[in-house]
Order: sequence, then structure tokens, then C-alpha cells
Amino acid sequence: GAVVSQHPSWVICKSGTSVKIECRSLDFQATTMFWYRQFPKQSLMLMATSNEGSKATYEQGVEKDKFLINHASLTLSTLTVTSAHPEDSSFYICSVPTHGPYEQYFGPGTRLTVT
Amino acid sequence: SQKIEQNSEALNIQEGKTATLTCNYTNYSPAYLQWYRQDPGRGPVFLLLIRENEKEKRKERLKVTFDTTLKQSLFHITASQPADSATYLCAPSAAGYNKLIFGAGTRLAVHP
Repeated sequence: GAVVSQHPSWVICKSGTSVKIECRSLDFQATTMFWYRQFPKQSLMLMATSNEGSKATYEQGVEKDKFLINHASLTLSTLTVTSAHPEDSSFYICSVPTHGPYEQYFGPGTRLTVT
Repeated sequence: SQKIEQNSEALNIQEGKTATLTCNYTNYSPAYLQWYRQDPGRGPVFLLLIRENEKEKRKERLKVTFDTTLKQSLFHITASQPADSATYLCAPSAAGYNKLIFGAGTRLAVHP
């Protein structure tokens, strides 16, 4: 499998500011990474597919200008929540799919609270 | 549209018993079905993957079945332990397609 880290593990920010979340694949070169969001007591909702060296692909209903994704290397993808609002408060998790049947390895998640 | 259903109610069982969780899907023809475990405040952890041509797969105390006619997968934990308490998520996926859509998950509580 792949070992995936995220930073920070939690962050509190004021409404209107931007927050960057990093996702690192520590032992696997990831041309693709996924970003999910999870609200309390709900399942993971796929937000976007991060593609190394090209633009991210966003799921329907996810604002690409609000959730900026950059995948500049095979080991790092970043998600920037721009002009954050309280409704953006959530648990953000990234994952790395491995080869073959594509089981995914998840990061530990980042808890974002917007005040 | 594609739909994945897992028991939304928590499953409470006694330690030592077998836990059985259900995943039903509609408007799907997945080539694989994956199961993950998620603990509170943590990212999901991959457990098992079963292919459409496999009826059953085992890993230690875990067993997964995949019935493409019924469009259903069952996930069993035998000799359950309190440490097995978590939310279990299923995710059917198409061949050659690595994007996963998860079910809502079933919370399992194993009581001593």
C-alpha cells in the first residue's frame, strides 16, 4: 500500500481567509490523488481528482474557483479553500489510488473549522 | 443514477459473535467492490477488495461475498472483538476506473 500524510491535522481560520491543506504520498509516486469532504455523521463525498501536471477534475456541484487544487509533483497535492465560510467547516481527506484494482490509501484527514 | 445502500442504523453485537454488514447497489455493474474501515476522526483504511468473478474472499477474520445477480455484497467479521467497533464503508467500482463512490457506511459496535 501507500503511506499518505496530511498537514495540518486541524486548522481554525476566520471567515473570508484562505486555507491550504497538503497531502503527501510518502512512499508511492502518485499521478492521481483524490480529495474528499466529510460532514459529521455522513459519508465521504468525492470533491475532485487531482492530476499531476494537469488540471484537477471536479465533481458536479464543487466550485473549482473556491477549492483550488495543485498537484505539482508525484508526491504532493494541495487543496486551498479560498474565502472560507463557516459552511466550509468539515473534515477533508485525501487518498492515493495504487495500481491495478485501485484500492485507495487515505491520509489521516484535516479538520477545518471556519469561525 | 447510481445508488449504494448500507444499513444506516448501527449494528450492535456481543463480543465473539459474527457481524454481518450489507451493501446493496443499483444502476451499477461494478467490476470490483471494496470495503474500508473508518474510525472517528480518522481517514478510512482499506480492508478487502473482491472482483466480480469472485464469489467470496477472506482475510483473517474477515470474509466478503459478492453477488452480482442480487447486486449485493456481504461483509462478515467472525469472532468479533470490541476493537472491531468502527464504521465500515463499501465502494463498488468499475473496471479501469479508480474513482470511488462510497456508501454511507454502517457503524458497528461490539460489546464485551
